[in-house]
Amino acid sequence: NAGVTQTPKFRILKIGQSMTLQCTQDMNHNYMYWYRQDPGMGLKLIYYSVGAGITDKGEVPNGYNVSRSTTEDFPLRLELAAPSQTSVYFCASSYSGTSEKLFFGSGTQLSVL
Amino acid sequence: AQSVSQHNHHVILSEAASLELGCNYSYGGTVNLFWYVQYPGQHLQLLLKYFSGDPLVKGIKGFEAEFIKSKFSFNLRKPSVQWSDTAEYFCAVNFNFGNEKLTFGTGTRLTIIP
Repeated sequence: NAGVTQTPKFRILKIGQSMTLQCTQDMNHNYMYWYRQDPGMGLKLIYYSVGAGITDKGEVPNGYNVSRSTTEDFPLRLELAAPSQTSVYFCASSYSGTSEKLFFGSGTQLSVL
Repeated sequence: AQSVSQHNHHVILSEAASLELGCNYSYGGTVNLFWYVQYPGQHLQLLLKYFSGDPLVKGIKGFEAEFIKSKFSFNLRKPSVQWSDTAEYFCAVNFNFGNEKLTFGTGTRLTIIP
């Protein structure tokens, strides 16, 4: 039972580079989320999706893009990486929203130098 | 702005000690409250949650939390901690029912000394 799978686990980018953080879940969950966690800070919501084809901004969406073409996948794209995007990124999913338990991935440690 | 505060950044306890981690939020309306835990090397996972009813909720591994509406608090407790409770603990609040924006606190790192 894989749950929520994130790749890669670690990545170093140069300023201005782009990359996609992958997230896939095998639990047929409708809701998926991307959070970032900075040292000494709580998790901040970047984007979320309530179903395939539907996405919405969270608290800190600037510099990121998402898509949800399938129920399983919710990739997060960084177009022009900046040092401020150095963080740990977590993908999460749930069947019916934040009123239910969120299942988290193991995280992606991203450094932008 | 709606916020969640966890004032204890790092707590160090000996095994068998009692634990209380504070969580306060800044909103007077209806809230859903959660505690998540991240054990070393593991995913974040739900410890317990409160929606309505009995303000004392019990979660996994002997943890419990009490919702005190008048104090805007949802403190996490455990009467006797174990070394395996070493982890980072996050309080989270959903400030508006149906809103998907779960607001997390900054987390409390708990270290248990054997």
